Amino acid sequence: DSGVTQTPKHLITATGQRVTLRCSPRSGDLSVYWYQQSLDQGLQFLIQYYNGEERAKGNILERFSAQQFPDLHSELNLSSLELGDSALYFCASSSTGVRNEQFFGPGTRLTVL
Amino acid sequence: AQTVTQSQPEMSVQEAETVTLSCTYDTSENNYYLFWYKQPPSRQMILVIRQEAYKQQNATENRFSVNFQKAAKSFSLKISDSQLGDTAMYFCAFMKWVMGSGNTGKLIFGQGTTLQVKP
Repeated sequence: DSGVTQTPKHLITATGQRVTLRCSPRSGDLSVYWYQQSLDQGLQFLIQYYNGEERAKGNILERFSAQQFPDLHSELNLSSLELGDSALYFCASSSTGVRNEQFFGPGTRLTVL
Repeated sequence: AQTVTQSQPEMSVQEAETVTLSCTYDTSENNYYLFWYKQPPSRQMILVIRQEAYKQQNATENRFSVNFQKAAKSFSLKISDSQLGDTAMYFCAFMKWVMGSGNTGKLIFGQGTTLQVKP
């Protein structure tokens, strides 16, 4: 158990819908990262938040957005869903130490029908 | 931009044998970190081993060790005494060093190598 929690574990929805994925980082971790794992694109970085502020952006679609709240939990919002958005979405958090490690949550499996 | 390449989509090894997974990367950065992550059928991402680019000594974690060749931009993973529980997809990942405590850079992953350990 990495200490990072993600809800829900599975999500099935229809095209055109909007969903919200939730992530709680490890206690004390200020950074949260979102990654998408799909068969087509592999594992790719979407976005990073650090202590409530957006810090880095990857190949995140305009239909996707994220935020980090004062209690440090983060939400990833996916809207106008398409079949190609079906993927496993991971959240990770990083330590305040010097080891530069990211700890991954169990992921949310999104299926768009 | 940094890229990570894993040229072996699938590999297999007999239980108790040794296997090496290959990884190459491309970067103009001098300070960075390299990682191997394991993803078993449960889909959980598990850190196996990490290497700081400024360290010449290869990292070792129990049965797992790396061969880090900075000039060649190569970072292979050796698994000794393979066990059935090592069956998983293995990802090589690159992270640029970012200044600031608690603020790591993004991970850039290779495409992964599926390893099957056979009894």
